[in-house]
Amino acid sequence: DQQVKQNSPSLSVQEGRISILNCDYTNSMFDYFLWYKKYPAEGPTFLISISSIKDKNEDGRFTVFLNKSAKHLSLHIVPSQPGDSAVYFCAASSSFGGGATNKLIFGTGTLLAVQP
Amino acid sequence: DVKVTQSSRYLVKRTGEKVFLECVQDMDHENMFWYRQDPGLGLRLIYFSYDVKMKEKGDIPEGYSVSREKKERFSLILESASTNQTSMYLCASNGASWGPRDEQYFGPGTRLTVT
Repeated sequence: DQQVKQNSPSLSVQEGRISILNCDYTNSMFDYFLWYKKYPAEGPTFLISISSIKDKNEDGRFTVFLNKSAKHLSLHIVPSQPGDSAVYFCAASSSFGGGATNKLIFGTGTLLAVQP
Repeated sequence: DVKVTQSSRYLVKRTGEKVFLECVQDMDHENMFWYRQDPGLGLRLIYFSYDVKMKEKGDIPEGYSVSREKKERFSLILESASTNQTSMYLCASNGASWGPRDEQYFGPGTRLTVT
């Protein structure tokens, strides 16, 4: 049962345009969400996060939007650059249950290709 | 900068062999994690540890075990490697006191092939 879903395996955009990566979740107990970027042959690197008490978080060219009622979050990259080409994973966790049960649940990833 | 290192980038083992994957972090993090990454399946948690000698099963622990004898080191053990354990293995760590509320820092990964 995939609790975090990224339904688009790949996305191609032109340099300078907006990239929008989407993520849906099913568990209403999730209250913290993160995006990671992964280049080939490297480990994922943290990009941006958002708590469920917010609906938007911005960091430079990257903005994450959270729609709790729809159980949906999205990552916007503006403007997109060729160096942004990578696999993007969304992840979610829940603080309920406490202790060591706050696992990160990852989506399946979206491969973003930014064309020059 | 946080540094998470993994003992091998590429590893080829035979079916039935016992395999050890080592991970070391240099930031005195309490929590350490082992994931595997497979196409179309994303990152799946195998085991994690929130303290020395403490471990918890993740989502796919079958066929694996772990060891954490020192805070900085977390080992993943494949007791008897099988071809379906061919995968990219990723180690991560973070310093949150109660689970992975904070971002996790990942190592570069070990590409394991079991023949």
